[in-house]
Amino acid sequence: AQSVTQLDSHVSVSEGTPVLLRCNYSSSYSPSLFWYVQHPNKGLQLLLKYTSAATLVKGINGFEAEFKKSETSFHLTKPSAHMSDAAEYFCVVSAYSGAGSYQLTFGKGTKLSVIP
Amino acid sequence: DSGVTQTPKHLITATGQRVTLRCSPRSGDLSVYWYQQSLDQGLQFLIQYYNGEERAKGNILERFSAQQFPDLHSELNLSSLELGDSALYFCASSPQGVAGLYNEQFFGPGTRLTVL
Repeated sequence: AQSVTQLDSHVSVSEGTPVLLRCNYSSSYSPSLFWYVQHPNKGLQLLLKYTSAATLVKGINGFEAEFKKSETSFHLTKPSAHMSDAAEYFCVVSAYSGAGSYQLTFGKGTKLSVIP
Repeated sequence: DSGVTQTPKHLITATGQRVTLRCSPRSGDLSVYWYQQSLDQGLQFLIQYYNGEERAKGNILERFSAQQFPDLHSELNLSSLELGDSALYFCASSPQGVAGLYNEQFFGPGTRLTVL
């Protein structure tokens, strides 16, 4: 079975300062990991994904994440926050669930606030 | 725009009623997933269909059912509605090929269901 723990339910940063959203995962198999973002009253949009090709993954809008197997972590970072980054972020693990299917398990989300 | 469409955008109904939510996946995607997002439960996987057949079940109540039609669109039927069913319901699609582990899901904008 797989699970995801997002360590902070709410993170607040000032505009122009770095962003760090923390995620730990647990999976019985080699997982695939994703970060999705959800802006208010919108659907979920993929930020980036880890597919075992490289441990440092670059995504859209300047975000990146580093896969650390020894720490079972997949933290999301951005060097400089922008007001438009204010949203909810979900760390997601994908793993084989049987019968040729792969299931996504979502963390509870981290709400990012950006202070002008 | 993810290419996944959902109708209706909003739905308000009364307890005990039955509603149908509709989803059209991205062109060419064979898998459709349904999710429920509520404040207390977060994002919960309900059910997956692949090319017309049910492939995986998550935390779906017996009062809920779904199907995927030959043109690959899907419907989620919710019956005997209760106040606690009020939530945002998302549909997502993915190609679900051999490399399914790394296939991200593309989410629609959601249907907000309010049960009064």
